[in-house]
Amino acid sequence: GAGVSQSPRYKVAKRGQDVALRCDPISGHVSLFWYQQALGQGPEFLTYFQNEAQLDKSGLPSDRFFAERPEGSVSTLKIQRTQQEDSAVYLCASSLGGLGGGLAYEQYFGPGTRLTVT
Amino acid sequence: AQTVTQSQPEMSVQEAETVTLSCTYDTSESDYYLFWYKQPPSRQMILVIRQEAYKQQNATENRFSVNFQKAAKSFSLKISDSQLGDAAMYFCAYRNRYGGATNKLIFGTGTLLAVQP
Repeated sequence: GAGVSQSPRYKVAKRGQDVALRCDPISGHVSLFWYQQALGQGPEFLTYFQNEAQLDKSGLPSDRFFAERPEGSVSTLKIQRTQQEDSAVYLCASSLGGLGGGLAYEQYFGPGTRLTVT
Repeated sequence: AQTVTQSQPEMSVQEAETVTLSCTYDTSESDYYLFWYKQPPSRQMILVIRQEAYKQQNATENRFSVNFQKAAKSFSLKISDSQLGDAAMYFCAYRNRYGGATNKLIFGTGTLLAVQP
């Protein structure tokens, strides 16, 4: 079946603009994650959804960042009033299971959206 | 808080040779998972291999194997018979097995592997 898809693949925004990044997880996957990957760095966790519930948003760097998953499938990461330090690749990942059970549900990653703020 | 450290920013290997990528981590948990991910230029993160901390036996997936030293908190990746397609950025990652409000992965900073023909 189809993997995780993200759109757009590339986004250029002028400083101060709002952007919305979309993630389509694998159908039926309960968990959805957003990560931010700065140039030359490893991905860093932003937020986690189990179905439509946002259970962890501890990694969101500021209140300009907002994520939602209203119907438990597609998710949108919104960044308001973009700043140059927001330039990064934003990765979305989904996994089959939710929390609990201790199982290592594999996270399947999308290709990411490269955001450049000028 | 858990941390993952990859001290080799870049590595190079000849085609058909063997290379080992290093990773150390820090955690106070006793039960967790460790992963190696491959990220080619296309940016798609691909799981290479997984190790459960409660298992003493080192994981193996075809040409990829790990050396898991729990007491030393070390988790290295060995790639045998290196192929041109192995060239990519490799990330070591950690995840708690239980507890917390998330199953988030904690990544190292990566090792860029070049494969020379």
